[in-house]
Amino acid sequence: GDSVTQMEGPVTLSEEAFLTINCTYTATGYPSLFWYVQYPGEGLQLLLKATKADDKGSNKGFEATYRKETTSFHLEKGSVQVSDSAVYFCALSEGSNAGKSTFGDGTTLTVKP
Amino acid sequence: SQTIHQWPATLVQPVGSPLSLECTVEGTSNPNLYWYRQAAGRGLQLLFYSVGIGQISSEVPQNLSASRPQDRQFILSSKKLLLSDSGFYLCAWNSEAARGYTFGSGTRLTVV
Repeated sequence: GDSVTQMEGPVTLSEEAFLTINCTYTATGYPSLFWYVQYPGEGLQLLLKATKADDKGSNKGFEATYRKETTSFHLEKGSVQVSDSAVYFCALSEGSNAGKSTFGDGTTLTVKP
Repeated sequence: SQTIHQWPATLVQPVGSPLSLECTVEGTSNPNLYWYRQAAGRGLQLLFYSVGIGQISSEVPQNLSASRPQDRQFILSSKKLLLSDSGFYLCAWNSEAARGYTFGSGTRLTVV
């Protein structure tokens, strides 16, 4: 079945540092890939997505590129801020599966001033 | 625009009591609807999903049930809560897989 493996956390960075959170996936077809962000006590918010190979999703300074050859969708940001502290989830969805998504376990990011 | 409402935000219930959590979506029709549970410090577990009125699929056997009495209403229920039912419950919807989910704000359930 489908699966998503995320870099284990927690990750602690200083403000303005470069962020990479690794995500690799296993899927039978050609899934869409997503990153979600969850701030403390809240639901998840869609951060960015990519629907086909070599697509780059971007939002709020975050980027991720759909790499079919390495089955990866790593999240990056050039300069993190304290307000980026949150839990980040990588996910995939295959169109034939009632729209269901498979999620990674989440990576907690803490940014210190 | 589409919005999703989930309530209550927090709930403290004794063991053995019933449960009803409600989720409604506005601004769309025939959405796919989902209930997830998130245990403390852990990932998301899909509990139920629905692709239409009265159509419920269960992912994990447990003492919870779900119903979809109207197109944009999704209800999570239990007749008798267990301590292990504590967690953060999230409702979500989408119209197609490639669009991703829109999540509700969640219900924090503590069973005591």
